[in-house]
Amino acid sequence: DAGVTQSPTHLIKTRGQQVTLRCSPKSGHDTVSWYQQALGQGPQFIFQYYEEEERQRGNFPDRFSGHQFPNYSSELNVNALLLGDSALYLCASSLGGLDTGELFFGEGSRLTVL
Amino acid sequence: QKEVEQDPGPLSVPEGAIVSLNCTYSNSAFQYFMWYRQYSRKGPELLMYTYSSGNKEDGRFTAQVDKSSKYISLFIRDSQPSDSATYLCALQAGANNLFFGTGTRLTVIP
Repeated sequence: DAGVTQSPTHLIKTRGQQVTLRCSPKSGHDTVSWYQQALGQGPQFIFQYYEEEERQRGNFPDRFSGHQFPNYSSELNVNALLLGDSALYLCASSLGGLDTGELFFGEGSRLTVL
Repeated sequence: QKEVEQDPGPLSVPEGAIVSLNCTYSNSAFQYFMWYRQYSRKGPELLMYTYSSGNKEDGRFTAQVDKSSKYISLFIRDSQPSDSATYLCALQAGANNLFFGTGTRLTVIP
């Protein structure tokens, strides 16, 4: 049973560039949430996708956008990268929303912005 | 004031010790309480999940929730070097996103 998979695992970008991160949820899961984890901090909620729509959003600017595909996989896009966007980006999958809190996380994509 | 406060540590204990990890919170709407373990350069993995005050035990791990004091704890008995990781508390209010603590870095010394 494949867990949550994310790609790429590491990437380096420069300020002003754009990045796309990808996530495949755990088999049987239909909901994907994205979190940003800065060094030494806990994950912070970016947004959640369910039924191909953004269902909830945290306190992140519009530079952060996403998409969910019919197969439940998801992408996170960040435009006009800032140095402060350097972080581990975590994808978490669940079934039918966040009611149970039982999120399964991928290993993350580590983004470095120079 | 942050939604969830957690002592970042670091915490070092000898093998076999009992470890106590704690979080406090301010929002009484939180209903679900979780503990995640995160090894270095890995994603968090769910350890314990509770939704009421009281204790929940799973092997060497015990999660404790005191809603009246807005205080949650994770106890690890007979700690092992393999328990060395960062432990994150996470709280949820209904069908909403999780609020994480900053995490406590634990090292168990053989």
